[in-house]
Amino acid sequence: QLQLQESGPGLVKPSETLSLTCTVSGGSITSSDFHWAWIRQPPGKGLEWIGSISYSGSTYYNPSLQSRVTISVDTSKNEFSLKLNSVAAADTALFYCTGFSTSSGWFDPWGQGTLVTVSS
Amino acid sequence: DIQMTQSPSSVSASVGDRVTITCRASQSIRSFLAWYQQKPGEAPELLIYLASNLQSGVPSRFSGRTSGTDFTLTISSLQPEDSATYYCQQAISFPLTFGGGTKVEIK
Repeated sequence: QLQLQESGPGLVKPSETLSLTCTVSGGSITSSDFHWAWIRQPPGKGLEWIGSISYSGSTYYNPSLQSRVTISVDTSKNEFSLKLNSVAAADTALFYCTGFSTSSGWFDPWGQGTLVTVSS
Repeated sequence: DIQMTQSPSSVSASVGDRVTITCRASQSIRSFLAWYQQKPGEAPELLIYLASNLQSGVPSRFSGRTSGTDFTLTISSLQPEDSATYYCQQAISFPLTFGGGTKVEIK
């Protein structure tokens, strides 16, 4: 069964770069059934898609974040990563990594999420 | 961007009640809609995909329907474990977007 796990610092200073990694287990990140995605959720608020990546490295970003976001994949480690630069307090959120169905566009499975706080 | 408008934002109902949540898309998304359930402190879980297909393991009291750009999630007989926030998501075009969520509480 496919499982995803986020990792990375829980505290980032304003103007610095947020970096998270998602490790995929129970299956290959090169599966043709899935792309991979990052979604965030500010405390007490709704869900926002950040971007998605295929195993070959094709990326799709939310235009609202595109100038600050980079998503990459490392097939040798079965993991993919998120970098969000020039962060501010408004970027404080729970960050989830997920599988993204290439046939129907739904998100499944989800990692447990990791809280990243932007504060000096 | 395609806007997804969910209503109501919250609902309180008794065990056994029928609960319906609506999601309206700002333009045609055909059947490319998913529903998620998020319990407090947990990650969202996929309930329904392609508007009406139940994800494996999801109880049959959950169902989804579509009528044009309006989509409904129905819980036929509300159970205590259904207390959660529910989100819709359009899956037809980037940027992928979610509805604002509906919080379902048990009276």
